[in-house]
Amino acid sequence: SAVISQKPSRDICQRGTSLTIQCQVDSQVTMMFWYRQQPGQSLTLIATANQGSEATYESGFVIDKFPISRPNLTFSTLTVSNMSPEDSSIYLCSVEINYGYTFGSGTRLTVV
Amino acid sequence: AQSVTQLDSQVPVFEEAPVELRCNYSSSVSVYLFWYVQYPNQGLQLLLKYLSGSTLVKGINGFEAEFNKSQTSFHLRKPSVHISDTAEYFCAVSSPGGYQKVTFGTGTKLQVIP
Repeated sequence: SAVISQKPSRDICQRGTSLTIQCQVDSQVTMMFWYRQQPGQSLTLIATANQGSEATYESGFVIDKFPISRPNLTFSTLTVSNMSPEDSSIYLCSVEINYGYTFGSGTRLTVV
Repeated sequence: AQSVTQLDSQVPVFEEAPVELRCNYSSSVSVYLFWYVQYPNQGLQLLLKYLSGSTLVKGINGFEAEFNKSQTSFHLRKPSVHISDTAEYFCAVSSPGGYQKVTFGTGTKLQVIP
């Protein structure tokens, strides 16, 4: 299975600022997925990032708020823009290997 | 659209007792099914997956799950739990094939009591 390095592992940010989360995979993958896990809740898919094209966003998520970059087959970033306390969540990246999904350890974001 | 229902939000069980975590799914097409575990302050780890074939799937840490198409269920079981199994468990479903969107259940917190 793939190994995913995600950073930062946690951060406390002021409202109105932006945070960029990085996800590095130890093998080349076609698609990378970004999820949000709000406190006490399950995972919700934010977007799917395919190398060389714009990310595909799920209903309720927009590119202006969550811009994603996918410069190569092993790396992606998710930016949480103009943050508010409602953005306090765990953000996880994921890749699919052999029909099983591997997740990074997550970024625990607190917005104050 | 696919959906997953985990009926129990919390399951307390004594150490060395058996446990079953329930999962039901809804889908109009064939599915892939997954169970993930999330230990406190950590990411998700794949326990097991059902893609096709044998309906009994064995995973890591002594867990197994059985796919029941007629009951649209994929319950997770372990014959004897340990303190270290205390975690949150997520059932998930996707359409067959690669790079499909995965839909997660709301999770079941397993609390193993010494």
